[in-house]
Amino acid sequence: NAGVTQTPKFQVLKTGQSMTLQCAQDMNHEYMSWYRQDPGMGLRLIHYSVGAGITDQGEVPNGYNVSRSTTEDFPLRLLSAAPSQTSVYFCASSYGGMNTEAFFGQGTRLTVV
Amino acid sequence: AQTVTQSQPEMSVQEAETVTLSCTYDTSESNYYLFWYKQPPSRQMILVIRQEAYKQQNATENRFSVNFQKAAKSFSLKISDSQLGDTAMYFCAFTHSGGGADGLTFGKGTHLIIQP
Repeated sequence: NAGVTQTPKFQVLKTGQSMTLQCAQDMNHEYMSWYRQDPGMGLRLIHYSVGAGITDQGEVPNGYNVSRSTTEDFPLRLLSAAPSQTSVYFCASSYGGMNTEAFFGQGTRLTVV
Repeated sequence: AQTVTQSQPEMSVQEAETVTLSCTYDTSESNYYLFWYKQPPSRQMILVIRQEAYKQQNATENRFSVNFQKAAKSFSLKISDSQLGDTAMYFCAFTHSGGGADGLTFGKGTHLIIQP
């Protein structure tokens, strides 16, 4: 049982480059979300999805895009990377909303230089 | 908007001792959910315990228990018989009851160190 799989685990980008962080879950969860974790800040919600074809913005959505074409996958796109996007990114999924148990991926450490 | 405050950036206790991590939150809603998540050095986020605000009984999971004081908006985590493997960041988190679709609001975390 793989749970929530994030790729890559580490990435270094140059300012202005774009990339996609991948997230896949095999638990048939409807709800998926992306968070970023910065030192001393806890985790903050970027985008979330309550099912295939439906996405919405969280607390810090600027500079990121998402799509949900399948139940399993929820990629996060950085359109033009900036040093302020240096962070650890977590994908999470849950059967219902986040009031049920959330399962997190192992995180992606992104550095933008 | 909800806020979650963890006032202890770091705590250190001896193995086998009991430790309590503090969390307060602010919300205008009457029904919501509270969580404690553990993040060990591996970076994995692990659910420790979950509390539904409409339940007066405090949640427990083996050595982990909470003291939920709804009127005071307080949600502390007690770890009994602490073990070296309990060393981790601990995050308090909140979501309201509307399906939780807008995600979790996290505190800034408490770094707990268990000394041998």
